[in-house]
Amino acid sequence: GESVGLHLPTLSVQEGDNSIINCAYSNSASDYFIWYKQESGKGPQFIIDIRSNMDKRQGQRVTVLLNKTVKHLSLQIAATQPGDSAVYFCAERNKAAGNKLTFGGGTRVLVKP
Amino acid sequence: DAGVIQSPRHEVTEMGQEVTLRCKPISGHDYLFWYRQTMMRGLELLIYFNNNVPIDDSGMPEDRFSAKMPNASFSTLKIQPSEPRDSAVYFCASSSQDNRHGYTFGSGTRLTVV
Repeated sequence: GESVGLHLPTLSVQEGDNSIINCAYSNSASDYFIWYKQESGKGPQFIIDIRSNMDKRQGQRVTVLLNKTVKHLSLQIAATQPGDSAVYFCAERNKAAGNKLTFGGGTRVLVKP
Repeated sequence: DAGVIQSPRHEVTEMGQEVTLRCKPISGHDYLFWYRQTMMRGLELLIYFNNNVPIDDSGMPEDRFSAKMPNASFSTLKIQPSEPRDSAVYFCASSSQDNRHGYTFGSGTRLTVV
């Protein structure tokens, strides 16, 4: 979950295809994870969350998968739309260490029409 | 609810000047967070409060930075004196005790120190 802002990986997706965004987190004690979407000039917007006692959670067009064995989190977006173009961040929290989120470096998603 | 409200949206100031950023959290939220976002370092936590009490300020860069939360509906982040390297987008976020719906972010204050 170390923030690295120097270079954002980019995922180019054709409109209508499914997108998969991956995130490796660092702390095996993290108990709560959130995916955020950030559009240009705006603050991070909550998409979906998952607690460590689950391995999958679904929302509207989005699914989050958690693999604690390899400390990996993914966000799947079904039928990607132009409005999904944004930077996506995963964030983790270890409640025992305090109620604070640590963010990953982010992935830029570009949706091609 | 209007969400987390930050002001100003943009601030341009000269090096050496004092800058004060403001935040109004969502009513009923117990936690308030200040984050800074830069291209080089991404989103970094500066400080957070629980029930108006600072809990962790280990992310505050140096003594030039200070934050207060005089009541449950208002917080400030002050930089005195400001330096060009403080230029960034500063976000405030709030959360309820059970983290229902995650942490809600404001729209941010874009600070430019010239």
